[in-house]
Amino acid sequence: SQTIHQWPATLVQPVGSPLSLECTVEGTSNPNLYWYRQAAGRGLQLLFYSVGIGQISSEVPQNLSASRPQDRQFILSSKKLLLSDSGFYLCAWSVRGREKLFFGSGTQLSVL
Amino acid sequence: GQQVMQIPQYQHVQEGEDFTTYCNSSTTLSNIQWYKQRPGGHPVFLIQLVKSGEVKKQKRLTFQFGEAKKNSSLHITATQTTDVGTYFCAGQTGGSYIPTFGRGTSLIVHP
Repeated sequence: SQTIHQWPATLVQPVGSPLSLECTVEGTSNPNLYWYRQAAGRGLQLLFYSVGIGQISSEVPQNLSASRPQDRQFILSSKKLLLSDSGFYLCAWSVRGREKLFFGSGTQLSVL
Repeated sequence: GQQVMQIPQYQHVQEGEDFTTYCNSSTTLSNIQWYKQRPGGHPVFLIQLVKSGEVKKQKRLTFQFGEAKKNSSLHITATQTTDVGTYFCAGQTGGSYIPTFGRGTSLIVHP
């Protein structure tokens, strides 16, 4: 069966520090991969999506970036965090050609 | 671009009362999905509707897709404390595999 792993679960970082969040999917090949951010009490904002290795599309201009070095690995990064980067970050995957999303357990990021 | 509006943002009910959340799109959708996010958790897929006028039921939950495929609703009959969470709709237009999420409706059930 397919599983998605996302870590860490919580992270507290100072302003200006770098960020690296990792997400891996098991049990499937060629998934579509997504990064979402959810501010407290708000909806889901799509940040990046990927249809293949090295193929990244950005939805919102910001100081975040994403990479897909392997088929089932998706990384969210920042060189310098801002206070406004705080939020709940969710990785998700879907079968190519299907719309149903499977979400990871999320990372609660607090930038202080 | 495509927008999906969801109302209400919050809903307080007494246990046993019914609950409905509504989702409206600015464009015709090819399908709509519903997800539930428990407090502190991640969104979990509930159902997908594809056909115009489609109605699907999951126990006490009833999902509807409008005839024009621009709106949808989720109705919960006789809410229970286990129904607490945020319910999101997510719509897709033809040719796009990326769903656009509504802002969600947070359901609070008072025992």
